Amino acid sequence: AQTVTQSQPEMSVQEAETVTLSCTYDTSESDYYLFWYKQPPSRQMILVIRQEAYKQQNATENRFSVNFQKAAKSFSLKISDSQLGDAAMYFCAYRSGAREDFGNEKLTFGTGTRLTIIP
Amino acid sequence: DAGVIQSPRHEVTEMGQEVTLRCKPISGHNSLFWYRQTMMRGLELLIYFNNNVPIDDSGMPEDRFSAKMPNASFSTLKIQPSEPRDSAVYFCASSFSRLALHFGNGTRLTVT
Repeated sequence: AQTVTQSQPEMSVQEAETVTLSCTYDTSESDYYLFWYKQPPSRQMILVIRQEAYKQQNATENRFSVNFQKAAKSFSLKISDSQLGDAAMYFCAYRSGAREDFGNEKLTFGTGTRLTIIP
Repeated sequence: DAGVIQSPRHEVTEMGQEVTLRCKPISGHNSLFWYRQTMMRGLELLIYFNNNVPIDDSGMPEDRFSAKMPNASFSTLKIQPSEPRDSAVYFCASSFSRLALHFGNGTRLTVT
């Protein structure tokens, strides 16, 4: 079974600075997807960024980018120019990419990192 | 696109009562997931459907929990009888193929 580990329960960053959230995962698969979700106090789960394991290029979405290290099974999220609206819980998640395996479509989540933005 | 729609947003009930949570997935999505979120256990998958068929219900805590998906546009999660330890936020999510899950706003359930 796949596991996702977020070792930083809490992080804080000064507004306008850059912060990196860590995520590691364990899998024996070669084809998979990784995600970062954001959960603000409104509790809505919002997709931040998605990475396909077969792609070597790191995904980016505006101020959000990832550092995907497949061999190390590491998938960190970098937030540049932090804004007050970035304050939230951030969850790293894993999903199998095996297309013939309909029994393994679920998303496995880490325990989350609470990010605080200091004005 | 209205996104995944869950109802109710909040539910307060007494122990022993039946609770039904509802979900309308995004049109065209072929997978639907029910997750439960608590402080102690984080986000747990309860059950998921593919093309309306239950694929994995190993996360359903016990027989008090049941889920149905009678058609592609509607699913329910039922707890009968409810217990205080069932208090949590319940999320419904849908997806197409292996793309990202889209979550509803969740139902906060409180069982007193």
